[in-house]
Amino acid sequence: AQTVTQSQPEMSVQEAETVTLSCTYDTSESDYYLFWYKQPPSRQMILVIRQEAYKQQNATENRFSVNFQKAAKSFSLKISDSQLGDAAMYFCAYRSFRGGSEKLVFGKGTKLTVNP
Amino acid sequence: KAGVTQTPRYLIKTRGQQVTLSCSPISGHRSVSWYQQTPGQGLQFLFEYFSETQRNKGNFPGRFSGRQFSNSRSEMNVSTLELGDSALYLCASRTDGRTTDTQYFGPGTRLTVL
Repeated sequence: AQTVTQSQPEMSVQEAETVTLSCTYDTSESDYYLFWYKQPPSRQMILVIRQEAYKQQNATENRFSVNFQKAAKSFSLKISDSQLGDAAMYFCAYRSFRGGSEKLVFGKGTKLTVNP
Repeated sequence: KAGVTQTPRYLIKTRGQQVTLSCSPISGHRSVSWYQQTPGQGLQFLFEYFSETQRNKGNFPGRFSGRQFSNSRSEMNVSTLELGDSALYLCASRTDGRTTDTQYFGPGTRLTVL
């Protein structure tokens, strides 16, 4: 069974600074998807970024980028120029590439605080 | 386009009762998944429905069940509620069930069991 580990329960960053959230996972599969989701205090889960394991290039979405190290099974999220609106719980998630099933396996989350 | 909606947003029940939660996916989405979120266990997959058929099920007791209607709306039911069932229940939808689809989450239903 796949597992996802987020070793940082809480992180804080100063506004406009850069922060990196860590995520490691365990799987025997070679093809899969990895995601970072953001859950603000309003509780609506929002997709931040996704990475297909077969792609070597790290995904980037505006101020959000990932460092995907497949051999190390590591998938960290970097947030540049942090903004107050980035404060939220961040969840790393894994999904199998095998067709059809939508099961996401989540880490326990990292609570990010952005200080003005 | 409207997002995923869940009703009700908040529920208070007592032990032994049963509860039904509803999820309306984004228009055109045919796959609906349910997750339970608790402080202790985090986010755990309950089940997924696609075209009215349960396609995958998580490791939950049979008290947890669900269904999907022809309009893709989904309901989940929990019978004989226990204190440990108190949680945020999240629903997520995606288009036609292909692995590459992005999943969109609803705001959740907060269930409190007294």
